[in-house]
Parts: sequence; structure tokens; C-alpha cells
Amino acid sequence: LAKTTQPISMDSYEGQEVNITCSHNNIATNDYITWYQQFPSQGPRFIIQGYKTKVTNEVASLFIPADRKSSTLSLPRVSLSDTAVYYCLVGDPIYNFNKFYFGSGTKLNVKP
Amino acid sequence: EAGVAQSPRYKIIEKRQSVAFWCNPISGHATLYWYQQILGQGPKLLIQFQNNGVVDDSQLPKDRFSAERLKGVDSTLKIQPAKLEDSAVYLCAIRDRGRGTGELFFGEGSRLTVL
Repeated sequence: LAKTTQPISMDSYEGQEVNITCSHNNIATNDYITWYQQFPSQGPRFIIQGYKTKVTNEVASLFIPADRKSSTLSLPRVSLSDTAVYYCLVGDPIYNFNKFYFGSGTKLNVKP
Repeated sequence: EAGVAQSPRYKIIEKRQSVAFWCNPISGHATLYWYQQILGQGPKLLIQFQNNGVVDDSQLPKDRFSAERLKGVDSTLKIQPAKLEDSAVYLCAIRDRGRGTGELFFGEGSRLTVL
């Protein structure tokens, strides 16, 4: 069971780029890295997923170094509405999702 | 797109009482999960269903928690009798394999307060 380590909290200001790093030293060959976002009183929402190098979508970018022991979620030009908890998960998203472990996540606070 | 409806949204009970939560996926999905999220913590998997069958319930406190999935669609989670430490948000999720990411779609959750 690949567990992850993330900062407990981060502060940022509107318009800044935010990078949240996740450590996953025990990642397995078939594991992907998946990030979820959770607002208060809502369930988590999928943001992005990657296996290696770089993945970008309309919301964020995910950077994964060659050894895959860590990953960085990058949120460009954050706004107040990006204030949320961000979870990094590692596992096989298709066949072993029940082995995913959410952890406590990173609470991002975006200030005006 | 996948969607999950949960009810009730809020429930307050006394300890030792019972409570039930419902999960209604808007469209059929084979895999359904129940998570428990205690304030300040990440969601913890309680049980996973594949169609009607249980795939993983290793973290379900079976002496007080039970869950079932009806005809591979709707699901219920019951707690009897409730304890103070059961105060949490109970999240239902379904997995969408169609996009290739296996991403989970969560409901808004049912918040339980045990007094």
C-alpha cells in the first residue's frame, strides 16, 4: 500500500502559481498518481492523473520526475475559489482502486 | 457524466440509536464505495462493492456497521448502535472506468452527528 506525504497546509495569494509536492517513495510499477480537490461540505473531485513526466489539463499540471518517488501539482494563477483541500493518491486506478489511501491532504488557503 | 445522490444530507442522533444512509447513483456503475470522513481527516474507505458483491470491507466495523447494494445500483449504509466516534461525513462514490482514469465521482455526503 503506497502511502503519500504532503504538507499539511499552504498559503497563497490570488494570481500566484501554487505548487503542492507529494512524496510517494513506495510507488509500484503499475501505480498512477492521482490528485483530488475537496471543498467544504462536498465530496472530493478528480483534478488530474499521471504516470510519468508531465500532464496538463484545463485545471492543473502534474509534474512527475523520472524516479516517480514524488510529484508536484501545479495550479496556475490561483483564485479565492481554489481554497480547498488537495489529496495526492497513488495506486492502480483501474484494478486496485480499493487500495488507494487519501491521507490528510494539503489545505490550501488562497488570500486576496 | 456520472452523478451520485445521497440522503439524508444531515442527521443528528443520540448514541446507541441507529441510522441509515442512502446512495443513489444516477446511472449504473459496477463499482460503488462508501467512505467515512472524520473532521480534519481524509476519506477512509469503509466498503467497496462490485455489482452486488463486496470486494473489500476490511475497514468496516462489522459489529455495528452494515451495508448492502440493491440490484447492483442503489446502496445503503447502516449504523446500529451508533457511537460518539461515528460522527463524520459518510461519502458514497462510484468509479467511472469510461475515461480510462478510473476516477471516482463522489456524492455530497451525509453528515452524521452523534450526541
